[in-house]
Amino acid sequence: EVQVVESGGGLVKPGGSLTLSCAASGFTFDRYSMNWVRQAPGKGLEWVSFISGGGTYKYYTDSVRGRFTISRDNAKNSLNLQMNSLGVEDTAVYFCARQYYDATAYRRAFDLWGQGTLVTVSS
Amino acid sequence: QSALTQPASVSGSPGQSITISCTGTSNDVGNYNLVSWYQQHPGKAPKLIIYEGHLRPSGISDRFSGSQSGNTASLTISGLQAEDEADYYCCSYTGAFTFSLYVFGSGTKVTVL
Repeated sequence: EVQVVESGGGLVKPGGSLTLSCAASGFTFDRYSMNWVRQAPGKGLEWVSFISGGGTYKYYTDSVRGRFTISRDNAKNSLNLQMNSLGVEDTAVYFCARQYYDATAYRRAFDLWGQGTLVTVSS
Repeated sequence: QSALTQPASVSGSPGQSITISCTGTSNDVGNYNLVSWYQQHPGKAPKLIIYEGHLRPSGISDRFSGSQSGNTASLTISGLQAEDEADYYCCSYTGAFTFSLYVFGSGTKVTVL
């Protein structure tokens, strides 16, 4: 089955750190760029970070740049998000999302999403 | 990068058509024909329904259609059905020069009356 499954969420104090993981299966992981997208409780979606298939290119939204680090282990079909200096504004469900390939080209869209993992930053 | 502007809510009766707008700027929506749309039911993961402004992934109903004019993209749902009741988000590519690649819309709750 083609799927991605996030893990690693939990409760962390402000200023703390947490690492999220996303396990991919059913597709050739290293051929796809991957993203993290988050959703604060009751709020909209927010793109967080991107990593290219080989791991060379990485991008971040302004609010997390310098605090979050995206990485991947293609041998283990795994995507990670290291989050440092967490603040209450980082409280959200974090989704792992695959870059879309429509049989002709990679597209600027996300076609495969996990169910998300909840990160709660609170004292 | 500010979120793209969507109406908070749109409603319609079964069988009707509704349109959701997504307004950005010349730095995002207006600069690229690379807007995607997502449907999200409560407690579920988002689902891609339109990409590159008007293209539908395999398996997506042709009741969903997308368009764009200038800095505004639009999603139209025709023949509205009860199962279309969900939140809808647009998303625009913003380009690598910004170092932030994508921006989502604020989201629109669709209610089927």
